[in-house]
Amino acid sequence: DAGITQSPRHKVTETGTPVTLRCHQTENHRYMYWYRQDPGHGLRLIHYSYGVKDTDKGEVSDGYSVSRSKTEDFLLTLESATSSQTSVYFCAIRKGGGSDTQYFGPGTRLTVL
Amino acid sequence: ELKVEQNPLFLSMQEGKNYTIYCNYSTTSDRLYWYRQDPGKSLESLFVLLSNGAVKQEGRLMASLDTKARLSTLHITAAVHDLSATYFCAVDQFSGNTPLVFGKGTRLSVIA
Repeated sequence: DAGITQSPRHKVTETGTPVTLRCHQTENHRYMYWYRQDPGHGLRLIHYSYGVKDTDKGEVSDGYSVSRSKTEDFLLTLESATSSQTSVYFCAIRKGGGSDTQYFGPGTRLTVL
Repeated sequence: ELKVEQNPLFLSMQEGKNYTIYCNYSTTSDRLYWYRQDPGKSLESLFVLLSNGAVKQEGRLMASLDTKARLSTLHITAAVHDLSATYFCAVDQFSGNTPLVFGKGTRLSVIA
């Protein structure tokens, strides 16, 4: 258990609604990541953070924004949700700079109607 | 741009048989990771391979890394039903300071 929680775990929302997903870690790791997982696409990186207030875009960042004001929290916001953003979202953490792997949170299943 | 390809993407195998999943990647790296994902669950780290020739084994699974060929293999010995899952490989391009790049995954189904 890498001490990662995600909230909410399940959410159903309507097109055009803003949505924020939260990732919380207890291990004080520097790096945090948001991925989405869709059938046929594997895991795709949305955004990542390499420190408080330091973030960068991933492969599929359009329509998403992130914020990290504290080491332990990494927020993913869908400003105006669309049906194409229906997916399972995983947060991951990593200490960085060494041989450690990425550890994944339990996931959030988001449905946009 | 680093690309990671796994094959096969789907694998149905009989209990007791052996098989290998392949993971190819496109740029130089000496760090490769294997994960397992059960249906509806998160990803669980299986193996971390950190150098050319590295080999790790856990039960009926053995992973190896050939950095010259840019290839990792996950070998399954005498498959059992409990190994049914999706297996992902992931490559670390810049030694721990950038996100891992994942393959699309291999969905393994072990049947009696």
